[in-house]
Amino acid sequence: EVQLVESGGGLVQPGGSLRLSCADSGVTFGANWMTWVRQAPGKGLEWVANINQDGSQKYYVDSVKGRFTISRDNARNSLYLQMNSLRAEDTAVYYCAIGDHCDHWGQGTLVTVSS
Amino acid sequence: QSVLTQSPSASGTPGQRVTISCSGSSSNIGTYNVDWFQQLPGTAPKLLIYSNNQRPSGVPDRFSGSKSGSSGSLAISGLQSEDEADYYCAAWDGRLNAWVFGGGTKLTVL
Repeated sequence: EVQLVESGGGLVQPGGSLRLSCADSGVTFGANWMTWVRQAPGKGLEWVANINQDGSQKYYVDSVKGRFTISRDNARNSLYLQMNSLRAEDTAVYYCAIGDHCDHWGQGTLVTVSS
Repeated sequence: QSVLTQSPSASGTPGQRVTISCSGSSSNIGTYNVDWFQQLPGTAPKLLIYSNNQRPSGVPDRFSGSKSGSSGSLAISGLQSEDEADYYCAAWDGRLNAWVFGGGTKLTVL
């Protein structure tokens, strides 16, 4: 069974950096697209970025282009999101999801950007 | 505001049938498939319907989806109290080169 576990969230000052990780305990990680989706407190879902199976294709929402980088390590069944130049509006729960249709989701990790 | 438009709220009584709509454009739903997600209070979202009308294993057949033109719909029949949740539509947008979500519909079971 697919189990995704996010980590790396926390409190960071504006302008700071964080690296989120998502570990998959299943056996199909390398065969699937992976996605990051975020949800600001009390708000709806916002797609952030996704990456194809071998990492050769990456897509980002406009608001994070040039600041966030999605990557993956198939040998470690892990997905990453490097977040730089963080802003208050990046405060959210960040979820990772696996599959063409975000078939399975992790429980999320909270990122708070505040001074 | 979201690229995909959903009504903020919907409601129904147990046993009733409710429909949630998602309006897009030619660059997203008009060209690509629609997915639907259910988010129960305090939990992570869950895939409910993919590719317009396909149910993942384990999703009851009370949930169904459809697409017409640039709009998608999610129907829930035999409404149950445990269906009270937020529902989101999503689709790829070929103009933005990005996935886009609807703003979400909060379903209340009266």
